[in-house]
Amino acid sequence: EVQLLESGGGLVQPGGSLRLSCAASGFTFSNYAMAWVRQTPGKGLEWVSAITGSGGDTYLADSVKGRFTISRDNSKKTLYLQMSSLRAEDTAVYYCAKGSTMSRPYYFDSWGQGTLVTVSS
Amino acid sequence: EIMLTQSPGTLSLSPGERATLSCRASQSVSSYLAWYQQKPGQAPRLLIYDTSNRATGIPDRFSGSGSGTDFTLTISRLEPEDFAVYYCQHYGSSRTFGQGTKVEI
Repeated sequence: EVQLLESGGGLVQPGGSLRLSCAASGFTFSNYAMAWVRQTPGKGLEWVSAITGSGGDTYLADSVKGRFTISRDNSKKTLYLQMSSLRAEDTAVYYCAKGSTMSRPYYFDSWGQGTLVTVSS
Repeated sequence: EIMLTQSPGTLSLSPGERATLSCRASQSVSSYLAWYQQKPGQAPRLLIYDTSNRATGIPDRFSGSGSGTDFTLTISRLEPEDFAVYYCQHYGSSRTFGQGTKVEI
């Protein structure tokens, strides 16, 4: 059974930094692309970032380019999202999602339960 | 970037009725269209991929159809557990989500 467990969320001041982690189990981690998708409270879903199975290619939404970095450690079966220069509009639940294949195009066939990031002074 | 527009915003139906949800793309997305279901306090769950393929464990009352820019998710007979928010997503050249359709009792 695929399991994705996010951690690292919390309250951070505007301009601050935070690193999210997603521990994966139940599948061969390096064989699949992974992504972060966020959801503002009461709103819809927004894709944030993605990374290929090997980690060789990464992608970022325009809204987070230059501020967020995605990475993965295949030996630890863990996905990361390093967030810096955080803004109030980054406040959201951040979901870790498993891609259906190693590289594009892929849909998200498994999701974690999410971790809440709140950016506020 | 391809934009996805879902309609209606809210669909008010009763158990046993048929639900028809629409997702329109700003340009052709080929068949790279997925549907997700989200219940309050839960993560999204994959229902349909590649326009019309049901994900593992999804009941056959859920079906997807369409091509090009116009896609439909149909729930043939609503069960109480189907009342939720549904999102479409393009995963070809972009990874955009629609804004969601809430199916309420």
